[in-house]
Amino acid sequence: SQTIHQWPATLVQPVGSPLSLECTVEGTSNPNLYWYRQAAGRGLQLLFYSVGIGQISSEVPQNLSASRPQDRQFILSSKKLLLSDSGFYLCAWSRDTYEQYFGPGTRLTVT
Amino acid sequence: QKEVEQDPGPLSVPEGAIVSLNCTYSNSAFQYFMWYRQYSRKGPELLMYTYSSGNKEDGRFTAQVDKSSKYISLFIRDSQPSDSATYLCAMSANTGANSKLTFGKGITLSVRP
Repeated sequence: SQTIHQWPATLVQPVGSPLSLECTVEGTSNPNLYWYRQAAGRGLQLLFYSVGIGQISSEVPQNLSASRPQDRQFILSSKKLLLSDSGFYLCAWSRDTYEQYFGPGTRLTVT
Repeated sequence: QKEVEQDPGPLSVPEGAIVSLNCTYSNSAFQYFMWYRQYSRKGPELLMYTYSSGNKEDGRFTAQVDKSSKYISLFIRDSQPSDSATYLCAMSANTGANSKLTFGKGITLSVRP
């Protein structure tokens, strides 16, 4: 069966510091991978998605970037965090279908 | 008009009640529909998914899609305290590698023992 991991689970970072969140998927190959941010009262916002190694599509221009260095690894980064980057970051995967499966999430607080 | 509208809630029901959760949408291209359940401080869990109009049943849960009215529903029978969570509807116009989901904002359900 497939499993998706995210770490860290929680993170408190000062404004201006860098960020690296990691997501890995087990039990499948060549998954489609997604990064979402969930903010209170604003629903789930798609940030990036990837259909293969090195292939990244950005949905929202912002302070964040994503990379996919390996088939089942997806990384979300920032060089300098803003207060507005606080939120619950979710990684998801799918096969070539429409259902997406989410990881446990990373709660980021920028202070 | 937002693409997907979901009753904001919150919703509180007694144990054993039948719960109806609803979403409306404006994009007639949507043809794949999903319901996710999200417990507090956890990632969303795919509960039901269905293609096009019709009903799909899984245990105490029934997903219903009415494309002519652009309306989807999730029914929970014999609701339990363990059903207390936030429920998100999601939909997509296509499937495959580039399919993107559009989500409702979610409704928080509380089932009272």
